[in-house]
Amino acid sequence: EAGVTQFPSHSVIEKGQTVTLRCDPISGHDNLYWYRRVMGKEIKFLLHFVKESKQDESGMPNNRFLAERTGGTYSTLKVQPAELEDSGVYFCASSQDRGNTGELFFGEGSRLTVL
Amino acid sequence: GQSLEQPSEVTAVEGAIVQINCTYQTSGFYGLSWYQQHDGGAPTFLSYNALDGLEETGRFSSFLSRSDSYGYLLLQELQMKDSASYFCAVRAVGGSQGNLIFGKGTKLSVKP
Repeated sequence: EAGVTQFPSHSVIEKGQTVTLRCDPISGHDNLYWYRRVMGKEIKFLLHFVKESKQDESGMPNNRFLAERTGGTYSTLKVQPAELEDSGVYFCASSQDRGNTGELFFGEGSRLTVL
Repeated sequence: GQSLEQPSEVTAVEGAIVQINCTYQTSGFYGLSWYQQHDGGAPTFLSYNALDGLEETGRFSSFLSRSDSYGYLLLQELQMKDSASYFCAVRAVGGSQGNLIFGKGTKLSVKP
């Protein structure tokens, strides 16, 4: 069974440009989460989808970030326009239940560098 | 607010036992999770404690004391491959299940 896959693994862009990150969750997992880790900081929650609906987007930092999950399968996270402080590793995770057991399946992350 | 404290680094030798502590502050508590992350890899779920006591899974065990707001991860018979970062996490109060607050992580170095 394939795990959570993320693309691209690494992206380098200029400040002001746009980047779109993609996440394919484990097949059959209705719950999809985005997290990020900025250099030297904790892994922080961004948002949670249940199928195509946003269940919790309390961690989205500002309106430059747009997450979508059309059709309830893969998800994209767009940053537009990117700022220097957006640099970090963006993790996607999925789960079959709603995280009742604290078990999320994470991807390897997309490393974003904004210059 | 909610916060978790864990040591930033721990070093141990192969074959030894190491304990990584985690203390948390939260107004609501649903359970304590532990994750392992190798450099450049995906965080991988290790264990979850909702109730007080010890949970054992192979060489790894996790303990929780809700009255002390404290837990630990115990790694036995350390192997070189156990060198990684270990994170404790709690669910965010008011957030959805799966909205986890992570500690800053403990970097474990296992020496031969």
